[in-house]
Amino acid sequence: EAGVTQFPSHSVIEKGQTVTLRCDPISGHDNLYWYRRVMGKEIKFLLHFVKESKQDESGMPNNRFLAERTGGTYSTLKVQPAELEDSGVYFCASSQETANTGELFFGEGSRLTVL
Amino acid sequence: AQSVTQLGSHVSVSEGALVLLRCNYSSSVPPYLFWYVQYPNQGLQLLLKYTSAATLVKGINGFEAEFKKSETSFHLTKPSAHMSDAAEYFCAVTLTSYGKLTFGQGTILTVHP
Repeated sequence: EAGVTQFPSHSVIEKGQTVTLRCDPISGHDNLYWYRRVMGKEIKFLLHFVKESKQDESGMPNNRFLAERTGGTYSTLKVQPAELEDSGVYFCASSQETANTGELFFGEGSRLTVL
Repeated sequence: AQSVTQLGSHVSVSEGALVLLRCNYSSSVPPYLFWYVQYPNQGLQLLLKYTSAATLVKGINGFEAEFKKSETSFHLTKPSAHMSDAAEYFCAVTLTSYGKLTFGQGTILTVHP
């Protein structure tokens, strides 16, 4: 069974540019999460999808971040325009049921470097 | 709001020695507690979780953790370290029924031969 896959694994962009990160969850997992780890700090929750619906986006930093999950399968996280402080590792995770408390399957992460 | 503190960003042990990674949480009510591990070039993987059943929780790879409400702690232990245990370990909590986790800062475990 394929795990959670994320693309790209590493992206280097200039300040002001746009980047789109993609996450393919484990097949059949309705719950999809985005987390971020800024260098030297803890991993922080960004948002939670159940199928195509955003259930909790309380962790999204600002309106430069847009997450989508059209069709309830893969998800994208777009940063536009990127700022220096957006650099970090963006993790995607999925789980099978909402009630399956916290048992998340994580991808390897997408490392974003904004210059 | 809950928070998690992992004491020691780096822990170094010899192969065969006891592993002890400390985690304290702050929460108004007992939360769900987790330990995740990230091996190099991999995603985070669940080691074990506490969900209000037994206070001593056994996980994969010989790890276990004990929930101590009076100390608001959930320390991770392994009796004998192996070289393959070298990784970064994260303690996490949630009060939700879904996967909105609050993570600690992480502890990098180094195992020396």
